[in-house]
Amino acid sequence: GAGVSQSPRYKVAKRGQDVALRCDPISGHVSLFWYQQALGQGPEFLTYFQNEAQLDKSGLPSDRFFAERPEGSVSTLKIQRTQQEDSAVYLCASSLSGGEANYGYTFGSGTRLTVV
Amino acid sequence: AQKVTQAQTEISVVEKEDVTLDCVYETRDTTYYLFWYKQPPSGELVFLIRRNSFDEQNEISGRYSWNFQKSTSSFNFTITASQVVDSAVYFCALKPSYIPTFGRGTSLIVHP
Repeated sequence: GAGVSQSPRYKVAKRGQDVALRCDPISGHVSLFWYQQALGQGPEFLTYFQNEAQLDKSGLPSDRFFAERPEGSVSTLKIQRTQQEDSAVYLCASSLSGGEANYGYTFGSGTRLTVV
Repeated sequence: AQKVTQAQTEISVVEKEDVTLDCVYETRDTTYYLFWYKQPPSGELVFLIRRNSFDEQNEISGRYSWNFQKSTSSFNFTITASQVVDSAVYFCALKPSYIPTFGRGTSLIVHP
């Protein structure tokens, strides 16, 4: 597609519920990133994929967070047993390059997760 | 470790005023990239500029200009003759390797 698509746009989850957030990057983009953006804060890195390989997951806040990109295109961020502190906007970004800093990143509009 | 500091949390100006958004960064890497992104109320981060650490030439694009000073580790962004449509949160980001690190953002409000 023309841009990075994220779904759902908004998600309200009850505490303890599992959620799955989807990211559809630009076709052909090698790199894919997930960021968490709390209200009034900058995006915080969660995890990075190069094709289907998850090269860095150092930003995932707990083992309740899990991300996958099985075929090197669409990625899913799953949060198990959601807690109120998980409430944030989850941003996905993709880049044409495989790690070199030569290209910019295209961000999706994000999924706003509210845990009640 | 790398760090990006945007000391200005919120700036409020009247239309047609010039405004400068500050960005100071820290990194031990000698090769890195700096970015500015705009985040309008819709939420999407819009890429504005990328600058590598070897290119200290200032850049102008329409009403936007960027001043990169390696000696002070700063990459400031100026909007000339601001417009209401410039109202957004602006983020500075640093990328020494493959992971961009973002500042906390500066909220710019342009009043008519």
